[in-house]
Amino acid sequence: DAGVIQSPRHEVTEMGQEVTLRCKPISGHDYLFWYRQTMMRGLELLIYFNNNVPIDDSGMPEDRFSAKMPNASFSTLKIQPSEPRDSAVYFCASSLGFGVDWTEAFFGQGTRLTVV
Amino acid sequence: AQKVTQAQTEISVVEKEDVTLDCVYETRDTTYYLFWYKQPPSGELVFLIRRNSFDEQNEISGRYSWNFQKSTSSFNFTITASQVVDSAVYFCALSEANTGFQKLVFGTGTRLLVSP
Repeated sequence: DAGVIQSPRHEVTEMGQEVTLRCKPISGHDYLFWYRQTMMRGLELLIYFNNNVPIDDSGMPEDRFSAKMPNASFSTLKIQPSEPRDSAVYFCASSLGFGVDWTEAFFGQGTRLTVV
Repeated sequence: AQKVTQAQTEISVVEKEDVTLDCVYETRDTTYYLFWYKQPPSGELVFLIRRNSFDEQNEISGRYSWNFQKSTSSFNFTITASQVVDSAVYFCALSEANTGFQKLVFGTGTRLLVSP
């Protein structure tokens, strides 16, 4: 398997624009996570899905952020409108849920977002 | 509430030195997992180890070893005979039974610099 695939790797956008980050989890994994990494706040969980259903979105900072998982192989994180303080590295991760075959979270390479 | 503390922000060592990275956690759950991840300069997060709360046996993997002590709520990581390639940011993380062990709470990380 190619691992968790995120696109784009880098995104530079102007304040006020809509930004969409994409993630393809590892095939067969039933959990998908979106994390954000900043110098100030470190690594924080934004939202996670189980079997395409959002389970916990308490980490989503504002209504400007939304995430979807229309199917088991694709998820998006959208910021609309974007602001400079949204600049961060956004990681997507996937895992196989707790059980005999449970796996740890595998992370993608991240999307570095810069909002100017 | 769960919390992970990595008090060492940055550690600098010379190659071949041994180095220990500290991790202290807080949780009210009696069943939980602890993790270590490595983030090299390239930016991805690489899983190193997972340990459950009922297994206090120390683990050794090559030059890496982990010491889990429930009495002090610590899960420390030692690199023996450090190498330049060990230079990275290392994160300790915790997940609890009440989230199905899926929600990772990360510490702020320790940056390790190994010089030749």
